Amino acid sequence: GAVVSQHPSRVICKSGTSVKIECRSLDFQATTMFWYRQFPKQSLMLMATSNEGSKATYEQGVEKDKFLINHASLTLSTLTVTSAHPEDSSFYICSARDVEEPSTDTQYFGPGTRLTVL
Amino acid sequence: AQKITQTQPGMFVQEKEAVTLDCTYDTSDPSYGLFWYKQPSSGEMIFLIYQGSYDQQNATEGRYSLNFQKARKSANLVISASQLGDSAMYFCAMRDLLGGSNYKLTFGKGTLLTVNP
Repeated sequence: GAVVSQHPSRVICKSGTSVKIECRSLDFQATTMFWYRQFPKQSLMLMATSNEGSKATYEQGVEKDKFLINHASLTLSTLTVTSAHPEDSSFYICSARDVEEPSTDTQYFGPGTRLTVL
Repeated sequence: AQKITQTQPGMFVQEKEAVTLDCTYDTSDPSYGLFWYKQPSSGEMIFLIYQGSYDQQNATEGRYSLNFQKARKSANLVISASQLGDSAMYFCAMRDLLGGSNYKLTFGKGTLLTVNP
């Protein structure tokens, strides 16, 4: 199957700093990538849809100025958590849609990034 | 709006036995896709199996099969010959295939499967 990487896997930062998380599709092109947030023992919550070369589409209630998304190439999307606070601590996971699978549009997920804000 | 319901918060199964994880869905879209993902404690989401709404046959992938009953709007995952490594959270998800939702997935709340030796 298609491989998606995510970096870093774990990050601890101080309150007020910004953190960038990278999501890469390693062996396929992804015109669309998705960013999710997951709290312990809960399901995934979609934050935003990232389309290559255009602005991201944010879900209702997600602050776009706080969670900056950039999708500059067909294999890379980044999520920057600006001025992070302890309530932003969570598991962030990205996925990428394989354009070579138009019949299913299966999303392949990265391994996730655990963010802890002190 | 699409909705996925997984009514089993937790399930237990004996090693080597089969287990069925339930998933029901609700949608007004005529064309949609159903997915199952596995999330072990490490956190990554592993794609298991896909079923299209117009597929005539139930999907199978190795030990995984999808019991798709369109009229009942159910898409249960069947895992045969359970292994200890199958212990994980399992999510059912759906996406409409018309592209109107920008390819978004709707997830259920998940079922935590524990395989006992």
